[in-house]
Amino acid sequence: QVQLQQWGAGLLKPSETLSLTCAVYGVSFNNYYWTWIRQPPGKGLEWIGEINHRGTTNYNPSLRSRVTISVDTSNNQFSLKLTSVTAADTALYYCAKEVPTGDDAFDTWGQGTVVTVSS
Amino acid sequence: EIVLTQSPGTLSLSPGERATLSCRASQSVNSNFLAWYQQKPGQTPRLLIYGASSRATGIPDRFSGSGSGTDFTLTISRLEPEDFAVYYCQQYGSSPFTFGPGTNVDIK
Repeated sequence: QVQLQQWGAGLLKPSETLSLTCAVYGVSFNNYYWTWIRQPPGKGLEWIGEINHRGTTNYNPSLRSRVTISVDTSNNQFSLKLTSVTAADTALYYCAKEVPTGDDAFDTWGQGTVVTVSS
Repeated sequence: EIVLTQSPGTLSLSPGERATLSCRASQSVNSNFLAWYQQKPGQTPRLLIYGASSRATGIPDRFSGSGSGTDFTLTISRLEPEDFAVYYCQQYGSSPFTFGPGTNVDIK
């Protein structure tokens, strides 16, 4: 059974760096792109970016200057860093896996991490 | 960036009725790379449809997707009590991948 388990700090002050990690279980890590998505409170979904096992990344231009997604293939994990956070970055952050066909539709999601930015 | 617009914002229906949800893109979606998700309060999104019309694993056949180019539709043939939720469309034909604002299907 495919599972994504994520963790990271949930309370940040403005200007700090958000850091989240997602561990992948039950599927070949090298066969997929791995994605981060966020959802502000009461709002819709925003795609942040993706990475594959080689470290090839694709970021949302709206966040590109502040985002880094990295991969640790030895542990089947990938991570998100977002620098200089503000209140606008307060959201529920998800990691996600694409469908086996290679379509960038997401069939498995992590449990979500609530990140709150407040002074 | 492709902007997705979903209509209606809220759809009030009764169990057993047919639901028709619309997703319109600001420009043509490459290869009809369009997905639909269901999200209930406090839960993660659940993939229903990808490639505009392919049902994801385990999704009942009362859910169907159609459309091409800029206009896409999610149809729920007969609403079950567990189908009342928010539905999002997502395009992945062009980066950045984008989501629509959602349609809330609630009980009439």
